[in-house]
Amino acid sequence: QKEVEQDPGPLSVPEGAIVSLNCTYSNSAFQYFMWYRQYSRKGPELLMYTYSSGNKEDGRFTAQVDKSSKYISLFIRDSQPSDSATYLCAMSARGFKTIFGAGTRLFVKA
Amino acid sequence: GAGVSQSPSNKVTEKGKDVELRCDPISGHTALYWYRQSLGQGLEFLIYFQGNSAPDKSGLPSDRFSAERTGGSVSTLTIQRTQQEDSAVYLCASSLRTGGNSGNTIYFGEGSWLTVV
Repeated sequence: QKEVEQDPGPLSVPEGAIVSLNCTYSNSAFQYFMWYRQYSRKGPELLMYTYSSGNKEDGRFTAQVDKSSKYISLFIRDSQPSDSATYLCAMSARGFKTIFGAGTRLFVKA
Repeated sequence: GAGVSQSPSNKVTEKGKDVELRCDPISGHTALYWYRQSLGQGLEFLIYFQGNSAPDKSGLPSDRFSAERTGGSVSTLTIQRTQQEDSAVYLCASSLRTGGNSGNTIYFGEGSWLTVV
């Protein structure tokens, strides 16, 4: 079993839809949770960062962490074609290297 | 520089040749990662350097792969006797430190695109 599980998709939605992206993990020591976005032929870039449990909102993006269920989510409201990319979850424990999910490919159709 | 810098950005090499890929992390970042990503695939962890600690080499796929980090800064990933299955983009990333709020944030370079023919 991988430490971090993420459905690779692809996920295809119409413009304006709410998108839900998810990851599960097995290591209860993880405290730092991140979402990265990767456009084609580019390096991943940090989108959201959350420490421990709870929600964090930034514009159209909301990150949620449920440590009791070992489950994290990224919601995208009013999705746009420019949101089409691969979204990778990442997490780490204090003092340990960051572990990435496989990434979910998202297509937002105009 | 302002970001993680990788070179070369593109490399075409013949099967059996050795290649060296270079990464210049963000100044002051103590943690450095190498990942491999094949077309349409997720990130494959290769190796991780943290300060003066022994590197975590658990992701290196074979003994043809090696990496070093000199002076705690620049890193070189070397692939010996390249094979066609080595064709991928090799991504380098760095972070300020491991542990601590926001210190875990990893910043990626644009990658070195390797094609073995």
